[in-house]
Amino acid sequence: GENVEQHPSTLSVQEGDSAVIKCTYSDSASNYFPWYKQELGKRPQLIIDIRSNVGEKKDQRIAVTLNKTAKHFSLHITETQPEDSAVYFCAASKQGNTPLVFGKGTRLSVIA
Amino acid sequence: EPEVTQTPSHQVTQMGQEVILRCVPISNHLYFYWYRQILGQKVEFLVSFYNNEISEKSEIFDDQFSVERPDGSNFTLKIRSTKLEDSAMYFCASSEVRGGVGYTFGSGTRLTVV
Repeated sequence: GENVEQHPSTLSVQEGDSAVIKCTYSDSASNYFPWYKQELGKRPQLIIDIRSNVGEKKDQRIAVTLNKTAKHFSLHITETQPEDSAVYFCAASKQGNTPLVFGKGTRLSVIA
Repeated sequence: EPEVTQTPSHQVTQMGQEVILRCVPISNHLYFYWYRQILGQKVEFLVSFYNNEISEKSEIFDDQFSVERPDGSNFTLKIRSTKLEDSAMYFCASSEVRGGVGYTFGSGTRLTVV
């Protein structure tokens, strides 16, 4: 089955700097890659997703890149703010088929 | 914005007792899921449900677990005889299509087995 690895497990950045979180997946048939933000004690919330037919997607300060050949995808947050502090999870699935398989999460701390 | 509603928000139960976690998915969604998250760990898939039957389940979802859609709105997860290691946050999710796209997660039920 699918296995998703996520790095780093923790990340601290200064406010205004960029943060990058990386994930790899094992199943070349996976074609849908969402990113979730989870604040303490709350539900995971979708922040951005990408499908395998595109290599990059951007939404304001957040972008995701996908390298299908290498089977990895990354989340980029620019101009980080203290409210970006949370745990971020990547996930993968075969759209229209399997449930989401999550990475282990990255705890991002943005230091003011 | 439509929400997935879960009750209770927190449940404490004695080991060996049965618990039922309840979820009300978004009304026009057809696919329903349960995930769990042990404290500090990743979100893990338990089971998916479509057309009144289980469509997929993980190895975590053993005979102690069952799901049901008793009426047109509720979707429940039952744990028959709880163990200490069942302590976790349980998230319900629903989607219009299968396979992760358009998931909406509920706010979760924190289950504590003592």
